[in-house]
Amino acid sequence: DTEVTQTPKHLVMGMTNKKSLKCEQHMGHRAMYWYKQKAKKPPELMFVYSYEKLSINESVPSRFSPECPNSSLLNLHLHALQPEDSALYLCASSPNVEPWGGYTFGSGTRLTVV
Amino acid sequence: GQNIDQPTEMTATEGAIVQINCTYQTSGFNGLFWYQQHAGEAPTFLSYNVLDGLEEKGRFSSFLSRSKGYSYLLLKELQMKDSASYLCAVSHKAAGNKLTFGGGTRVLVKP
Repeated sequence: DTEVTQTPKHLVMGMTNKKSLKCEQHMGHRAMYWYKQKAKKPPELMFVYSYEKLSINESVPSRFSPECPNSSLLNLHLHALQPEDSALYLCASSPNVEPWGGYTFGSGTRLTVV
Repeated sequence: GQNIDQPTEMTATEGAIVQINCTYQTSGFNGLFWYQQHAGEAPTFLSYNVLDGLEEKGRFSSFLSRSKGYSYLLLKELQMKDSASYLCAVSHKAAGNKLTFGGGTRVLVKP
């Protein structure tokens, strides 16, 4: 298995809803990442998990809450989002944080906040 | 901070060659990646350079000069399916080995 699987592929949510994005990999990778990508813009790093511990939070608003229940799973919990949070949310993994091993991206969740 | 520059858009003809340049300024450089991204899809890995020189992989080649803060991606024998955005990304020796992306270059291949 050489894939990173993200669910759901599409999500529409209201500003008062609570939802979660899920990411799963079975490649034995020990680093996992959440990126946000707006249309025609590059991906922007949100969070990095290394060995199931949060190692980087790029000053992301608290309405985004990451969780890493085990080495194969990464969740992003969403609460009280704004319309400007609508974007493609990409999960990625890499074999290790040190030494560098390259990223594998999931196909993303396209989120629309209404 | 990090500054990564690449052209916004390029147009080329099927069968031709296109070179996409990327310049960067960063502290703690730990490698440069090129990704291909079709509209609405996830980025897919193309190449990785950490030492100076040319890496060739089929129709795609990538070059790095660390002293000049410069890389290019060379696409040969262009095909219509190569129409996509090409993202230059730099890895930093920070905790978590952050990957910072340039703005991407949209390549349009015409018949």
